[in-house]
Amino acid sequence: SQKIEQNSEALNIQEGKTATLTCNYTNYSPAYLQWYRQDPGRGPVFLLLIRENEKEKRKERLKVTFDTTLKQSLFHITASQPADSATYLCALDTGNTPLVFGKGTRLSVIA
Amino acid sequence: NAGVTQTPKFQVLKTGQSMTLQCAQDMNHNSMYWYRQDPGMGLRLIYYSASEGTTDKGEVPNGYNVSRLNKREFSLRLESAAPSQTSVYFCASSRGTGGASNYGYTFGSGTRLTVV
Repeated sequence: SQKIEQNSEALNIQEGKTATLTCNYTNYSPAYLQWYRQDPGRGPVFLLLIRENEKEKRKERLKVTFDTTLKQSLFHITASQPADSATYLCALDTGNTPLVFGKGTRLSVIA
Repeated sequence: NAGVTQTPKFQVLKTGQSMTLQCAQDMNHNSMYWYRQDPGMGLRLIYYSASEGTTDKGEVPNGYNVSRLNKREFSLRLESAAPSQTSVYFCASSRGTGGASNYGYTFGSGTRLTVV
């Protein structure tokens, strides 16, 4: 069956370090992969989209990789700050059907 | 700059009552969606509308109906609410159903529904 997994429910890191979140999937062939941020009591907010033929995408302190052989995307936040504390969701995108979301990883950046 | 507006923000229903959740977007998006979010389950798609005049079932459609009233508005109706429908409901919109654009989905702030 199709499955999308984010490596852990929660991740705690020290301020200034790089946070790395993992998204793995099975039995999907996404054309794109998207990452969202969700704060408590709010809706998800779109951060980045990476295409299947892109190895890496960057936006400010964010970096996303997409390995279709490993069926995995990595999401990095460099020089993390307490304000980066939130839940991060990955979403698989076939290009013509609605997004399928992972359950999310709750990131806490400790000052 | 409203984006996606959902009403109401909170609602408590008794089992068997009906209600309609409203959603409107002002970005001229073609596609609209209803997701529910439960602890430990993530976001699950209830129904979606790829374009005005079309609606399709998602992963968890039972107990719900939808109406794409016009390009801006997409409502979700619970005909006979059950405690299992206690959840946070999110409406979202996008230019296309999939990654046709680099702008992703725009979500509303959610409706927190409790069925007692």
